[in-house]
Amino acid sequence: QVQLQQWGAGLLKPSETLSLTCAVYGGSFSGYYWSWIRQPPGKGLEWIGEINHSGSTNYNPSLKSRVTISVDTSKNQFSLKLSSVTAADTAVYYCARAGCSSTSCYTAYDLWGRGTLVTVSS
Amino acid sequence: EIVLTQSPATLSLSPGERATLSCRASQSVSSYLAWYQQKPGQAPRLLIYDASNRATGIPARFSGSGSGTDFTLTISSLEPEDFAVYYCQQRSNWPPTYTFGQGTKLEIK
Repeated sequence: QVQLQQWGAGLLKPSETLSLTCAVYGGSFSGYYWSWIRQPPGKGLEWIGEINHSGSTNYNPSLKSRVTISVDTSKNQFSLKLSSVTAADTAVYYCARAGCSSTSCYTAYDLWGRGTLVTVSS
Repeated sequence: EIVLTQSPATLSLSPGERATLSCRASQSVSSYLAWYQQKPGQAPRLLIYDASNRATGIPARFSGSGSGTDFTLTISSLEPEDFAVYYCQQRSNWPPTYTFGQGTKLEIK
C-alpha cells in the first residue's frame, strides 16, 4: 500500500524558511507529479506547486518568488522550501500525488499525506 | 486564473436525503474537474475525477456530472459519515496550475 509520510519543523519565526519533506513508501516515484498543498486553519485549500521525478516543476504564481520544490529520487522523496514566511503562511501543509487514469493525467490527487501544521509566530 | 465557485456554502440535510452540490468554473475546464471530501483533522479524500469517474473504493451513492463550466456532485442517500466539507478542483494546462473551490459544508439538519 502506497503511503506518503511527511515531516518538518512545525514552529517558525517570521522571515525564516519553511522546510518540509515527503517520502513515498510502497510504490513507484516515477510517472507522477508530486505536489504541496496548504490549508490555513478553518479555510480552504491552496496549491503551492508540483514536481515530477525528472525535477520538472510548476509553481503557484502567487507564491513562486518564495517557493522551491526539489526531488531526491534515490530516496523517493520531495521537499518544499518557502522563504520569508509570515503569519499568513500558517497552515496545514499536505503533500499529494497526481497520476494518470484511463481518461487523463495529472488532473486529480488520489493520495495525500497526513499533513503538517506549520505555525509562524514571533 | 480559473476561479471555481461552489454553492451553497452550507447545506443542511438529514440522513437518507439527497444532496446536490454545485461547482462553477470561471471558464471552461472541459471535464477535468475533481471532487474531494474532507473531515475534521483529516486530509482530503478523492471522490470523483474527470467530472464523473468515481475514485477507487468510493461508494456508488456518490456521483458527478457536468462539463465545461458547470458541475454537480450528488450524494443519492446521505449516510451519517457523509457529513463533511466538499471541495472541487481543476487543473489548468497553461500555465500549469491547480485551483480549488472554497468548499461546501454538508451538515446534519
